[in-house]
Amino acid sequence: EPEVTQTPSHQVTQMGQEVILRCVPISNHLYFYWYRQILGQKVEFLVSFYNNEISEKSEIFDDQFSVERPDGSNFTLKIRSTKLEDSAMYFCASSDIGQSSYEQYFGPGTRLTVT
Amino acid sequence: AQKVTQAQTEISVVEKEDVTLDCVYETRDTTYYLFWYKQPPSGELVFLIRRNSFDEQNEISGRYSWNFQKSTSSFNFTITASQVVDSAVYFCALRESGAGSYQLTFGKGTKLSVIP
Repeated sequence: EPEVTQTPSHQVTQMGQEVILRCVPISNHLYFYWYRQILGQKVEFLVSFYNNEISEKSEIFDDQFSVERPDGSNFTLKIRSTKLEDSAMYFCASSDIGQSSYEQYFGPGTRLTVT
Repeated sequence: AQKVTQAQTEISVVEKEDVTLDCVYETRDTTYYLFWYKQPPSGELVFLIRRNSFDEQNEISGRYSWNFQKSTSSFNFTITASQVVDSAVYFCALRESGAGSYQLTFGKGTKLSVIP
């Protein structure tokens, strides 16, 4: 069964460093998303991406964040200068078009630890 | 703005008991979509069900059933004859239908522990 994959599973970085989290969405999906979950808290929307551009973003997704689809399979989230409060689990998700676009399938997540 | 409330933070049941997880939502949209996701201890988010606001028919899938009541803005999830493998955090989520709006708004989750 097709699934969303994410790498790495765990990333440790120092405050101020740049990180890139990588995702491979389900191959025929056209909508891509990033969410984050601070430990023990709810899942929060960051950004959605369609047709090579951001379609929606939350207040969390400030200038420190960017997304890119560098090729036909990868979808990345970059944090330019990490802060301690960026420590969280980051989930990538993808969805199909039409009625099926409402069902978002999530990857296993990348745990980001900023020290 | 949309909001999802899961008032039960943690629930413990003994195996084979039935358990209901509550979800109450707020939205101004007349068309919207509700979801349940399961997050097992391994951390991934597993899609369980989507319900459209214009379809109030309840659904049963094996031991799982969902009760959608538009009049009370609730979308509750019942597990019948619970098993240890059901132990997880369960999230209810809402998506509005506005153009360009794709985000899911999640509740805070209910941690279910099924004790053998």
